[in-house]
Amino acid sequence: EDQVTQSPEALRLQEGESSSLNCSYTVSGLRGLFWYRQDPGKGPEFLFTLYSAGEEKEKERLKATLTKKESFLHITAPKPEDSATYLCAVNTGFQKLVFGTGTRLLVSP
Amino acid sequence: KAGVTQTPRYLIKTRGQQVTLSCSPISGHRSVSWYQQTPGQGLQFLFEYFSETQRNKGNFPGRFSGRQFSNSRSEMNVSTLELGDSALYLCASSFSVNTGELFFGEGSRLTVL
Repeated sequence: EDQVTQSPEALRLQEGESSSLNCSYTVSGLRGLFWYRQDPGKGPEFLFTLYSAGEEKEKERLKATLTKKESFLHITAPKPEDSATYLCAVNTGFQKLVFGTGTRLLVSP
Repeated sequence: KAGVTQTPRYLIKTRGQQVTLSCSPISGHRSVSWYQQTPGQGLQFLFEYFSETQRNKGNFPGRFSGRQFSNSRSEMNVSTLELGDSALYLCASSFSVNTGELFFGEGSRLTVL
């Protein structure tokens, strides 16, 4: 069964304190691994797609990497506006994404 | 460019009733998928439509159904509501098929009393 596990469940950082979020997955055939950001009361917002081990994508203070079993979302020098829930998902076909339960990130000034 | 629009945003129903939720995708997007989000289970896939055809369905009972119209707008229906159906129902659209890059609406929050 396709499965996505994210850790930690919650993370509290000081502004400027870099860290990483983890997403481990088991899937029969990887058709892409995705990172989304979700703010309270909003739908998830697409961040990155990764397709093969070794691939990296960057956007502002965020960098996503992929290995054969897991993905990391590195946050460099975070700001309070980076506070959100970060969701990892794998595509199992025809837009059926299997999501992890997310990491709630709080960045304090 | 307008985003994905979902209506209604909030609704309260009682057990046994039925509900219909509506989704207007981004212009030009032909794939529409639906997800249920709850605090305990997270985001779970309900179904996906492309060109009025359901291409994929998640593990939900038959009380959950949907359809897509020729203009790509979609509706989902839940009949015989149960307390456990209380959730945020999210609609997402995409331009390309099978990319996983989804554009989500803000959701319809359903409370079943």
